[in-house]
Amino acid sequence: QSALTQPPSASGSLGQSVTISCTGTSSDIGGYNYVSWYQQHPDKAPKLLIYEVNKRPSGVPDRFSGSKSANTASLTVSGLQADDEADYYCSSYVGGDNLVFGGGTKLTVL
Amino acid sequence: QVQLVQSGAEVKKPGASVKVTCKTFNYTFTYYYMHWVRQAPGQGFEWLGWINPKSGDTHYAQSFQGRVTLTRDTSIKTAYMELSRLTSDDTAIYYCVRDLGSVAWGSARAFEFWGQGTLVTVSS
Repeated sequence: QSALTQPPSASGSLGQSVTISCTGTSSDIGGYNYVSWYQQHPDKAPKLLIYEVNKRPSGVPDRFSGSKSANTASLTVSGLQADDEADYYCSSYVGGDNLVFGGGTKLTVL
Repeated sequence: QVQLVQSGAEVKKPGASVKVTCKTFNYTFTYYYMHWVRQAPGQGFEWLGWINPKSGDTHYAQSFQGRVTLTRDTSIKTAYMELSRLTSDDTAIYYCVRDLGSVAWGSARAFEFWGQGTLVTVSS
């Protein structure tokens, strides 16, 4: 199973919004509503931001939102804050009890 | 609060095996699937597989079939990941990760709680 495709980098200014894409196929993102997003700060374990395409775990601010269209999922971060500067990873269920990750996107807050 | 505490860093020679420990705290160990993922230096994540701590059932990613073994000891609320026939490509941080979903209701296919990671270095 190939990794999902994410842009290597993204950027946005403080207070603005940025959207990060995650592209797969009809066998993964397009076929199931099990897309998750994670935030990882340097030398830290990741944090779950979004699950099942657009659901937020308790404690995750509503500045983080997820969506999906066909084979592409997206994470939007609104009202950018300095602490949002981190790496972001998507993952998707691919059937057969298997999961796959994207390659990650480094978000820079200008 | 839920905690997953992993064993310390390991250095192994090519061809050897490594076993990583993940001790859990403050939740019912048998209620939630446990996954293992890894992150090579400067790279993204790779999912290795999951274990149902209640039944012991396992499922492995195809690329690790035959090399990875996930086990658990319910008496001490601990999960284990053993990887054999190591090569330099296996150098990575290995994480145990608790599923958001429960064994009773089904996996949410999302990773809610992460261990601190265990660095495994494979070098001759």
